[in-house]
Amino acid sequence: QVQLHQSGPGLVKPSQTLSLTCAVSGDSVSNNNAGWNWIRQSPSRGLEWLARTYYTSRWFSDYAVAVRGRLTISADTSKNEFSVHLSSVTPDDTAVYFCTREDRVSSYWQPVSWGQGTFVTVSS
Amino acid sequence: DIQMTQSPSTLSASVGDRVTITCRASQSINRWLAWYQQKAGKAPKLLMYETSRLQSGVPSRFSGSGSGTEFSLTISSLQPDDFATYYCQQYESYVLAFGGGTKVEIK
Repeated sequence: QVQLHQSGPGLVKPSQTLSLTCAVSGDSVSNNNAGWNWIRQSPSRGLEWLARTYYTSRWFSDYAVAVRGRLTISADTSKNEFSVHLSSVTPDDTAVYFCTREDRVSSYWQPVSWGQGTFVTVSS
Repeated sequence: DIQMTQSPSTLSASVGDRVTITCRASQSINRWLAWYQQKAGKAPKLLMYETSRLQSGVPSRFSGSGSGTEFSLTISSLQPDDFATYYCQQYESYVLAFGGGTKVEIK
């Protein structure tokens, strides 16, 4: 059974970069049939998908329009983990951030499991 | 992007009640819909995928139906552990989208 364990700071200053990591156990981040996501949740935005990375001969990434240009998702196969970096944060980026895993089913990404969540506050 | 709308936003019910939550997509998502249960301070828990397929370990009192743009989650006999917030999520598009949630509270 796949398990996802998140780590990273719970407080980030405005204009700085938010960085979180999701360690994967029970699977490989380079599994050709897996997608790895970051999703956040806040009272104002609800559940908001941010980005996905997946490996199919090489690494691919998808990004939500709202964060494109500020957010980078990447994977580290040597550590079997994936990360998110969100730059130039503002208080509006305050949220609980979740990492998730999906299965590729035909051309669709079917949800499988979620990490425990990390509450990140953007404040000086 | 596909938008997901859930109703009602809050539902008051008693133990033993049959409850139904509705989710509507802004365009057809075929049957690529998942349902989650979330309790305070916890990650969403996957209940169902592909509209009506129960995730392993989820009680059979949960069922899902629908296709295209209209979907529903039904709890046949509400149990104390079921008081929580429920979300739908479409994955027909690679841009995932979630409903706003339905809070099931004790009447």
